Amino acid sequence: GQNIDQPTEMTATEGAIVQINCTYQTSGFNGLFWYQQHAGEAPTFLSYNVLDGLEEKGRFSSFLSRSKGYSYLLLKELQMKDSASYLCAVGRIGGSYIPTFGRGTSLIVHP
Amino acid sequence: DTAVSQTPKYLVTQMGNDKSIKCEQNLGHDTMYWYKQDSKKFLKIMFSYNNKELIINETVPNRFSPKSPDKAHLNLHINSLELGDSAVYFCASSQGGVWDNEQFFGPGTRLTVL
Repeated sequence: GQNIDQPTEMTATEGAIVQINCTYQTSGFNGLFWYQQHAGEAPTFLSYNVLDGLEEKGRFSSFLSRSKGYSYLLLKELQMKDSASYLCAVGRIGGSYIPTFGRGTSLIVHP
Repeated sequence: DTAVSQTPKYLVTQMGNDKSIKCEQNLGHDTMYWYKQDSKKFLKIMFSYNNKELIINETVPNRFSPKSPDKAHLNLHINSLELGDSAVYFCASSQGGVWDNEQFFGPGTRLTVL
C-alpha cells in the first residue's frame, strides 16, 4: 500500500517563506507532484519531481529525496492569494499508473 | 477553451435515487479519472480509464459505474444514492504515459444526498 503524510495546517505571514513537508512510502515510485487547491475550486498543478534535487519555478520550489521518501514545497514571498490547500501526490506504477494524494496542508497567510 | 468540463456543478438529490455526472476533456489525453473529495478534503481516486478501458477500480462500491463512450468522455453513474456519497466529485485527465502524469482537473461536482 501507500502512505503519504503532510501537516494538516500551517500559518505564515505575508512576505515570508514557508516550507510544506511531505513524506511517503510506496512501491513502484514514479514521481511526486504538488498541487494547489483554493477553497471551492479544483486542484491545479504546481510541480513535478522524479529525480532527487530541487526544481525551481518562480516563487515556488519543490525538493525530492527518493532515498528518504521525502519532499517539500517551498513558497517564497508569500502573498495572501497563496492561502490554499497544498496536496502532495505520489505516482506509482503497478501494472498501470496509479496516482495517490495526501490529505493536503491548509496554508493560511495573514497580513 | 475549457480543458476538462463536468456537468452538473451542483447536484442535490434524495437517498435511493440514481444520478449521473458527465465529464469531457478536449486535451487529447488518453487517460481519464474520477476522484472523490470528502468533507475533510481527502482526494481519493475511484476509477481510471485509458483509451476507453478501465485500468483502476479502487475498492469502490458497485453502485458506482463509470462509462467511457470514447476517450474524451468519462461519465459516472451512481445507483441507490446514500448519505455517505455526499462529496465533491472531480473528473481529471492526463496524457497517460509512464512518466509525468500531471492531472488536469475539471471544476468538480458537489453532490448532496438528503
